[in-house]
Amino acid sequence: NAGVTQTPKFRILKIGQSMTLQCTQDMNHNYMYWYRQDPGMGLKLIYYSVGAGITDKGEVPNGYNVSRSTTEDFPLRLELAAPSQTSVYFCASLSGGEGYGYTFGSGTRLTVV
Amino acid sequence: AQTVTQSQPEMSVQEAETVTLSCTYDTSESDYYLFWYKQPPSRQMILVIRQEAYKQQNATENRFSVNFQKAAKSFSLKISDSQLGDAAMYFCAYRSLQYQGGSEKLVFGKGMKLTVNP
Repeated sequence: NAGVTQTPKFRILKIGQSMTLQCTQDMNHNYMYWYRQDPGMGLKLIYYSVGAGITDKGEVPNGYNVSRSTTEDFPLRLELAAPSQTSVYFCASLSGGEGYGYTFGSGTRLTVV
Repeated sequence: AQTVTQSQPEMSVQEAETVTLSCTYDTSESDYYLFWYKQPPSRQMILVIRQEAYKQQNATENRFSVNFQKAAKSFSLKISDSQLGDAAMYFCAYRSLQYQGGSEKLVFGKGMKLTVNP
């Protein structure tokens, strides 16, 4: 049981480039989330999804896009990378209606230069 | 909106000693969950302990226990018999139990770095 898998683990982008952070979960969870973690700032919610075909903005959505075509996959798209998007990105999932915390992926460290 | 505050950015503790990490939160809701997550240098987010607000009994998981004071909106984590492997960032997090359009979002504090000295 792999849980939540994120790829890549590390990436360096040039300003203006685009990329997609991949996230896959094999637990049949309805809820999925993307967070970014900046030093000293905790985790901030970028986007979330409550099921296939349904997504919504979180606290810091600007510069990002998401899609949820299947229950398993929740990719995060950066269209025009900016230095302000240098961060560690976490994907997480939750079954819903339970009292447990999320299952997190191992994170992606992204640097925009 | 709910907020979570961890006012101590860093703490240190001697191996085998006890340390308490503080967390306060602000909410107008009566039903919610509270969590402590550990993030070691590997970056993985690991659930340490959780507390349901409707339960008066404080949660305990082996060497980890919480002091949940609902009226004071305080949720501290006590680590007993500290071990070198406890060194990590620790995050306090809040999750509403009330329906919020089904988001089930977690709200995190800024985190606290714990150092364990041998």
